[in-house]
Amino acid sequence: DVKVTQSSRYLVKRTGEKVFLECVQDMDHENMFWYRQDPGLGLRLIYFSYDVKMKEKGDIPEGYSVSREKKERFSLILESASTNQTSMYLCASSSPSLETQYFGPGTRLLVL
Amino acid sequence: RKEVEQDPGPFNVPEGATVAFNCTYSNSASQSFFWYRQDCRKEPKLLMSVYSSGNEDGRFTAQLNRASQYISLLIRDSKLSDSATYLCVVNKKGAAGNKLTFGGGTRVLVKP
Repeated sequence: DVKVTQSSRYLVKRTGEKVFLECVQDMDHENMFWYRQDPGLGLRLIYFSYDVKMKEKGDIPEGYSVSREKKERFSLILESASTNQTSMYLCASSSPSLETQYFGPGTRLLVL
Repeated sequence: RKEVEQDPGPFNVPEGATVAFNCTYSNSASQSFFWYRQDCRKEPKLLMSVYSSGNEDGRFTAQLNRASQYISLLIRDSKLSDSATYLCVVNKKGAAGNKLTFGGGTRVLVKP
């Protein structure tokens, strides 16, 4: 079974803090994704990566950056957290030949 | 206009009944289509792919209408465990690989 894990299930941070969200997958997938999910807006793609050290902007990259130093790990960074970044963050992975994405359990981030 | 639109519901369904709902997509270049299921406070998981000829998986039937740009999901003999949010997902292959776009989800509540 594919396993995608995320470093925290719940996180509370203060405005202006730097926040790191980590995602690890164990299926040797090339592709990894970060989404945020908000009520009424569905899942929105923040950033994705198709290879180590490679990143592409998704639909809402502003206020975020990412890092992919190893194939299995994809990190999402909030350089200076703001209250409008309070959300559920979901990481996913897939291989290029697959259209299916496998999701981690999500991190609920609250920015005060 | 959102790329993928769904009725948010909730659809309140008596146990044993049939429920059906649609999803419309705006990008005619979309190539493949999926239904994902998301339980409360959990990550999305692939329910089934949707192909041009439509397909069935047990009590679930998915249909695609390319001319009208919608897909549908029908659940027969609803079980309490079918209560979830159903996400319509559309894939468009680009130079960088597959890009999934998610609808906001349709919530289904199956009641005894």
